[in-house]
Amino acid sequence: QQQVKQSPQSLIVQKGGISIINCAYENTAFDYFPWYQQFPGKGPALLIAIRPDVSEKKEGRFTISFNKSAKQFSLHIMDSQPGDSATYFCAAPEGSARQLTFGSGTQLTVLP
Amino acid sequence: DTEVTQTPKHLVMGMTNKKSLKCEQHMGHRAMYWYKQKAKKPPELMFVYSYEKLSINESVPSRFSPECPNSSLLNLHLHALQPEDSALYLCASSQASGGVQETQYFGPGTRLLVL
Repeated sequence: QQQVKQSPQSLIVQKGGISIINCAYENTAFDYFPWYQQFPGKGPALLIAIRPDVSEKKEGRFTISFNKSAKQFSLHIMDSQPGDSATYFCAAPEGSARQLTFGSGTQLTVLP
Repeated sequence: DTEVTQTPKHLVMGMTNKKSLKCEQHMGHRAMYWYKQKAKKPPELMFVYSYEKLSINESVPSRFSPECPNSSLLNLHLHALQPEDSALYLCASSQASGGVQETQYFGPGTRLLVL
């Protein structure tokens, strides 16, 4: 059972546009939702994160919108830049070791 | 310093070889993780060490053997691997404080090719 479902699989956006990536989860015990950004040949890096008791979190051009009743959340990248081209993963930590369950990933390409 | 280092960056090995992957962090973190990532897939958890003790083994084949010599170091010993084990192996660490907003920091990974 896939605990965190992510869409779309790939996304192409023009420079300056808005990129939107969606995630849905099953486990209501999840209590924290980080987004990771991964560039080719690099490990994932924490981008932004949200708790389910908050409906929105904004950091610079990156915003998470959270809908607890629908068990859905999304990442919005405003004024997308070519340097944002990367793979984005939503995730949720679980268990005593807070091990991460990842979504399937979205490969974002921002065209210049 | 939020750096997790991994060596080597790349590794090519035959199915009869024995090799080791190394991971190091100096952030004082007490939880360390090994993940395996195939191309265009998310990382998959393999092992978790908490306070130098193995706390999670996600049913990983015995040809992968983790070791945590001290709180800063994590090794993954490889023996008799199969070509399907070719992947990016990622190490991560976190504080192990139990906090809800605890962050995992990832290393750059070791790209492994098994011939």
